[in-house]
Amino acid sequence: SAVISQKPSRDICQRGTSLTIQCQVDSQVTMMFWYRQQPGQSLTLIATANQGSEATYESGFVIDKFPISRPNLTFSTLTVSNMSPEDSSIYLCSVRSGSDEQFFGPGTRLTVL
Amino acid sequence: AQSVAQPEDQVNVAEGNPLTVKCTYSVSGNPYLFWYVQYPNRGLQFLLKYITGDNLVKGSYGFEAEFNKSQTSFHLKKPSALVSDSALYFCAVRDPNTGRRALTFGSGTRLQVQP
Repeated sequence: SAVISQKPSRDICQRGTSLTIQCQVDSQVTMMFWYRQQPGQSLTLIATANQGSEATYESGFVIDKFPISRPNLTFSTLTVSNMSPEDSSIYLCSVRSGSDEQFFGPGTRLTVL
Repeated sequence: AQSVAQPEDQVNVAEGNPLTVKCTYSVSGNPYLFWYVQYPNRGLQFLLKYITGDNLVKGSYGFEAEFNKSQTSFHLKKPSALVSDSALYFCAVRDPNTGRRALTFGSGTRLQVQP
């Protein structure tokens, strides 16, 4: 299984600012994803982070709001831009292994005031 | 499109009794199905998966799930519940025929096991 770390683990931010979340994996992976989870709620896919090309966004999510970088096969960043209280959520990095299992990082708990 | 439904927001069961957490799915082809568990303030942990083969899949912590194609279901079961099983459980699906690469999750079911 892949070991995934995320930084920061939590943050409290002011409205209108931006936060960049880092995701580091202990092995090279082809598939990397970013999800959002409201506390106690389900997971919603934000985008697929593609190495060497632009991320693929799901309906309702746009690059200007959630820019993603994936410079190599073990690292990705998600930025939450121009934040509002509605962006308060847990953001999760996920990777898919060769055996089709998806593993998740511990999450970044974001509170926007 | 791929989707999964968990009809119960919460399931309550007494310790030692069998438990079932329900999940139904909708895909155009043959599904890849998964169960995950989330304990308070912790990340998602993989429990088990069905890709192909035997319809009864065994996973971590004594859990198992049965794939039923005719009923499009993948219910999670455990013969004897423990208080420590109390957590949030998610069913997830991926349709490999659509080219969609990420899992789609259900709404989650909170399992409460009473001592």
